[in-house]
Amino acid sequence: DAGVTQSPTHLIKTRGQHVTLRCSPISGHKSVSWYQQVLGQGPQFIFQYYEKEERGRGNFPDRFSARQFPNYSSELNVNALLLGDSALYLCASRLGALNTEAFFGQGTRLTVV
Amino acid sequence: DAKTTQPNSMESNEEEPVHLPCNHSTISGTDYIHWYRQLPSQGPEYVIHGLTSNVNNRMASLAIAEDRKSSTLILHRATLRDAAVYYCILTLVPGAQKLVFGQGTRLTINP
Repeated sequence: DAGVTQSPTHLIKTRGQHVTLRCSPISGHKSVSWYQQVLGQGPQFIFQYYEKEERGRGNFPDRFSARQFPNYSSELNVNALLLGDSALYLCASRLGALNTEAFFGQGTRLTVV
Repeated sequence: DAKTTQPNSMESNEEEPVHLPCNHSTISGTDYIHWYRQLPSQGPEYVIHGLTSNVNNRMASLAIAEDRKSSTLILHRATLRDAAVYYCILTLVPGAQKLVFGQGTRLTINP
């Protein structure tokens, strides 16, 4: 079975641009979360979606938004990119809202220049 | 969120046991203790979790102090593939969607 897949794996954007990152959860998993990991630090929680509804939001500006589709895949959108948005963006899926184990993808490495 | 404290780094030898400590002196009675690890160039990976009793699974063991103010992740026989950053995380419920990662412990395994 395929694990959590994220695309693209790497991308470079210019300050002020917009970016969309994509995540496909493990088949059957209905919960998706997004994390930002800046170099040298642990991942920071951005959003959690379950059954296409936002169930949690971290301390990130409104430039960050996300959505979950009927097939449970998800997109993370970031507007007006700043240099500080350069990071590894991780997607995690869980079978359901209360399942303990989160399965992470390998992430998308975003570089803002 | 209750905070956890872990050593920045640890080193061990291949095929020897490794004990990774985590202090959580402000833990509440209902906080669950989770461990995740992140191998180089990969996303975090679930290792184990527990509440009060010691726990074992195929990857590791979790030893929880009687007062729950600390815990230890035990890798019984380290291999080079166990070299990773290990994160100790507390959550109010076992399936809490928000995981609060700290700096973790970078474990180096010597051949």
